[in-house]
Amino acid sequence: AQSVTQLGSHVSVSEGALVLLRCNYSSSVPPYLFWYVQYPNQGLQLLLKYTTGATLVKGINGFEAEFKKSETSFHLTKPSAHMSDAAEYFCAVSERGGGNKLTFGTGTQLKVEL
Amino acid sequence: EAEVAQSPRYKITEKSQAVAFWCDPISGHATLYWYRQILGQGPELLVQFQDESVVDDSQLPKDRFSAERLKGVDSTLKIQPAELGDSAMYLCASSINGVSGYTFGSGTRLTVV
Repeated sequence: AQSVTQLGSHVSVSEGALVLLRCNYSSSVPPYLFWYVQYPNQGLQLLLKYTTGATLVKGINGFEAEFKKSETSFHLTKPSAHMSDAAEYFCAVSERGGGNKLTFGTGTQLKVEL
Repeated sequence: EAEVAQSPRYKITEKSQAVAFWCDPISGHATLYWYRQILGQGPELLVQFQDESVVDDSQLPKDRFSAERLKGVDSTLKIQPAELGDSAMYLCASSINGVSGYTFGSGTRLTVV
């Protein structure tokens, strides 16, 4: 069974600082990997995804993530945090093959301070 | 941009009452998912439909929850009777296939009192 671990339930950064949110997965076969963002009382918005090809994936709002098979990781980064980035971030995986359910991590709440 | 529609956005109900949520996926998306998100946790799958057929309902509490997608388009999730522990965000998502991604609706925030 697949699982996702997000290290750090709360991360706080200063505006303009690097954002690094960690995600590790457990799967016998490298899955599809996703990062979603959720604002209070809203649904989930896709930031980026990795399915195949280049392991460095660029997403919306300046975020990017790198798939590292040897480390079973898919960490999310942004060079310079903005106040509007404050939200909850979820890493998720699905089995390859299409049409499969997403399995989510427990989420990381990002706080951006002046 | 196409969206997944959900209603209502918020619902307050008393314990032991019945409650229903509605979801209209993006047109052409054959796969529809209902997730439950308890405060402070990640979403967990309740049920997955492929067209009108249930693909996975292993985590659906079938003694009180039911879900249907009669014509393979929109879907309804029902809880009867509601319990205090059912208070959560209920999210609907749809996809063409897993490669292209999953689109989520804005969710229904349920509070059981």
